[in-house]
Amino acid sequence: DGGITQSPKYLFRKEGQNVTLSCEQNLNHDAMYWYRQDPGQGLRLIYYSQIVNDFQKGDIAEGYSVSREKKESFPLTVTSAQKNPTAFYLCASTLAGGTDTQYFGPGTRLTVL
Amino acid sequence: SQQGEEDPQALSIQEGENATMNCSYKTSINNLQWYRQNSGRGLVHLILIRSNEREKHSGRLRVTLDTSKKSSSLLITASRAADTASYFCATARNQGAQKLVFGQGTRLTINP
Repeated sequence: DGGITQSPKYLFRKEGQNVTLSCEQNLNHDAMYWYRQDPGQGLRLIYYSQIVNDFQKGDIAEGYSVSREKKESFPLTVTSAQKNPTAFYLCASTLAGGTDTQYFGPGTRLTVL
Repeated sequence: SQQGEEDPQALSIQEGENATMNCSYKTSINNLQWYRQNSGRGLVHLILIRSNEREKHSGRLRVTLDTSKKSSSLLITASRAADTASYFCATARNQGAQKLVFGQGTRLTINP
């Protein structure tokens, strides 16, 4: 089945630690996105990448980093600089541009202990 | 910043009734999309309406777009318990960065 996967589903982090969230897609999509969702809220864009080896900051990039070394993979690192990282993180991809339909992964719930 | 604002924030209706959610936005758009999110899950795309379209249907879903009022509505007819979810509108702007901007969502509860 084609799709977009995220792992792990749940992640616990101690304060001061960096953690990396995985996002993989086999849809052959060019563009990939990371969003953060807080309880009862909409999605806020963290980073996006429209092509391999290139990415742009979204609205709330501080404290996060990404890489795009392969077309199918777009991992997100939540660094210790992110002051309030507890949230639900969603990865999405789209065939070409950001105005197209986005396909979402199941999400990773990150909790800082 | 949030481009779209949904109204109401929460809606509770009886099974079989129709549900209407509204979305307002601020800048000119290329298209507007509606997504559904079940609790604790990823978003699922429902429908995309382009700026030159006024109405679109998909099964029990009907979406309208009024670019003069910068607003859209999502109508779900003959609601079912399985329609219980949060619904988000997302706008794709005409100019600038190629990305979607999501609203805060409407939480819809269908009571059996």
